[in-house]
Amino acid sequence: KNQVEQSPQSLIILEGKNCTLQCNYTVSPFSNLRWYKQDTGRGPVSLTIMTFSENTKSNGRYTATLDADTKQSSLHITASQLSDSASYICVVSANNFNKFYFGSGTKLNVKP
Amino acid sequence: KAGVTQTPRYLIKTRGQQVTLSCSPISGHRSVSWYQQTPGQGLQFLFEYFSETQRNKGNFPGRFSGRQFSNSRSEMNVSTLELGDSALYLCASKGGAGTENNSPLHFGNGTRLTVT
Repeated sequence: KNQVEQSPQSLIILEGKNCTLQCNYTVSPFSNLRWYKQDTGRGPVSLTIMTFSENTKSNGRYTATLDADTKQSSLHITASQLSDSASYICVVSANNFNKFYFGSGTKLNVKP
Repeated sequence: KAGVTQTPRYLIKTRGQQVTLSCSPISGHRSVSWYQQTPGQGLQFLFEYFSETQRNKGNFPGRFSGRQFSNSRSEMNVSTLELGDSALYLCASKGGAGTENNSPLHFGNGTRLTVT
C-alpha cells in the first residue's frame, strides 16, 4: 500500500533554533518527493522537489534530504523564525498515472 | 503572473444540498487537480483534469464530480452534501506539456465548505 508518514505530528521550538522534520514513504514506483509549507488558512506552497538521484536540496533556510534506499526524507530548518510557524507536508509522487500521496503533515510552532 | 484562484472562499450549505466550487489555474497550466483537506485525514486527492479530460481519480464516492473547460478553468461539484463533507477544498494547477511529474503543484487558498 502506498503511504507517506510524517513525524512528529507537532513541534514547538524557540525562535532561532534548528529543527528537523521526518518523512517515511512506501510509494512505488517512486518518481519524486516534495515538501510543502502551509500557513493557516492558505494553500500549500512548494519548498523543494527531489527526484530519485538527488540527495540534498536547499531553499534558503530549508534543506531537504532524500535517502531513496531507506525511503526516508527529512526537512531541516535552520535558525527558525516566527514566520516558519506552519504545517509542513511531505508529498510523494508515483511514476504511474501521475498520482500524489500526502503525509498528514507536521505542525510547527515557533515561539519568541 | 496571477496565482491559482478559487471561489468562493467560504461556503455554508445544508445537508442534502449540492455545491459547486470553481478554480482558475495559472495561465498556461493545463493540469488542474482537486483535494479535500480535513484535520483528521489531511490532504486527500479527489481527481485531476488535463485538457478537459479526467486523468486520475481518488477514492471518493460518485457524489464528488468535476469538469474542466477549454480555458482550463475547473469546477468541482458535490451533490447530496453530508456533514462529513465539511472541509477545505484545494485546487492546484501544474505546468508542463503532458505527464511531467517534476513540475510543482501550485495551490490556491481553497474554499472552506461547512455543511450544517
